[in-house]
Amino acid sequence: RKEVEQDPGPFNVPEGATVAFNCTYSNSASQSFFWYRQDCRKEPKLLMSVYSSGNEDGRFTAQLNRASQYISLLIRDSKLSDSATYLCVVNWEYGNKLVFGAGTILRVKS
Amino acid sequence: DTGVSQDPRHKITKRGQNVTFRCDPISEHNRLYWYRQTLGQGPEFLTYFQNEAQLEKSRLLSDRFSAERPKGSFSTLEIQRTEQGDSAMYLCASSLLAGGIDEQYFGPGTRLTVT
Repeated sequence: RKEVEQDPGPFNVPEGATVAFNCTYSNSASQSFFWYRQDCRKEPKLLMSVYSSGNEDGRFTAQLNRASQYISLLIRDSKLSDSATYLCVVNWEYGNKLVFGAGTILRVKS
Repeated sequence: DTGVSQDPRHKITKRGQNVTFRCDPISEHNRLYWYRQTLGQGPEFLTYFQNEAQLEKSRLLSDRFSAERPKGSFSTLEIQRTEQGDSAMYLCASSLLAGGIDEQYFGPGTRLTVT
């Protein structure tokens, strides 16, 4: 089993749509969780940290289910500029390496 | 620009040559990480430092790879006797380990092509 698993997509959605990505992780002792966004041939950029209670940042909502070892990202009112690869990321131990999923490709079309 | 910087941005080298990459972290960050990313995959951890101490090395980091952070500020990653399989994007990240969630911020990467 991969340490962090994501559906690679691509998810092709029209502007204004709501889209959700899911991710599962194998280490039940994982401490911290993140979503990063990566544009083609660029570095990953931190989109948001994921808190146990769930958190929202504008059009983006992240949820964590520790019992099921599952993380989700919801994007509302998709914009063309949201087109990117979304990386689910888990920190095995606080202050230690990040373990990345392979990413989910999102394409938002007009 | 106060973000993480990396140099060079691109490197083309012939198989068997040595290459060295540099990373300058965000100035107040005490942790520095190296990752490698190949096409279609997420970044994979190579090694990390807290200040000048190298605390963990991945099994991906063969004997041909060495990393240093001599004064706890910038870091270098050297690859000796490069192989075609070393072709990848080498990413550096930094963070400030201080309670709460440890958020890592990435530099633009060094894209290595071994011919």
